[in-house]
Amino acid sequence: GAVVSQHPSWVICKSGTSVKIECRSLDFQATTMFWYRQFPKQSLMLMATSNEGSKATYEQGVEKDKFLINHASLTLSTLTVTSAHPEDSSFYICSARDSLVSSYEQYFGPGTRLTVT
Amino acid sequence: AQKVTQAQTEISVVEKEDVTLDCVYETRDTTYYLFWYKQPPSGELVFLIRRNSFDEQNEISGRYSWNFQKSTSSFNFTITASQVVDSAVYFCALSEGGYTGGFKTIFGAGTRLFVKA
Repeated sequence: GAVVSQHPSWVICKSGTSVKIECRSLDFQATTMFWYRQFPKQSLMLMATSNEGSKATYEQGVEKDKFLINHASLTLSTLTVTSAHPEDSSFYICSARDSLVSSYEQYFGPGTRLTVT
Repeated sequence: AQKVTQAQTEISVVEKEDVTLDCVYETRDTTYYLFWYKQPPSGELVFLIRRNSFDEQNEISGRYSWNFQKSTSSFNFTITASQVVDSAVYFCALSEGGYTGGFKTIFGAGTRLFVKA
């Protein structure tokens, strides 16, 4: 089956620093990837849609200058949290659509737990 | 706009009881997909089922069954003879496609299920 990986699985950083999270589709090509954020005991909230070779589309209320998304290849999208603050501590999950399959299904990564101290 | 409502925040049952998790959705599209995911404490989403808007057949998979009714915009999930390992957060999700939805998946708030031995 389709597998999506995320790296790192967890990260602790100091306030004011930036951290990059990678999302890879391991056995399929993904023109579109999605980034979600999940705070404790809450649902997954879509942050942005990442499109290979073009700018990401951000959901309302998500700061595009703070959450930089780069989708440089068909198998890799990265999310960089710039100047991270404690309120950015969250569980970040990516998902990817198989470009060659006409389906609405997305394959989810295992998530990255970010803690900002 | 799409919306998914899971009115039950938490449900607690005793092992071997049957439990139904409710999901009501809103969409303007005629073509869409509905999903159920399980999220154990590890955080990684586990895909349970996908149902497209043209297929109203109910489905049974082992102890799990799903009831999809377009007339009431509901997609309910029943666990028969619940087990302690079923304890998790369950999310219902909706994906609209193409021009209007961009294949984004929107999640409900989730229902936390506790199964006591």
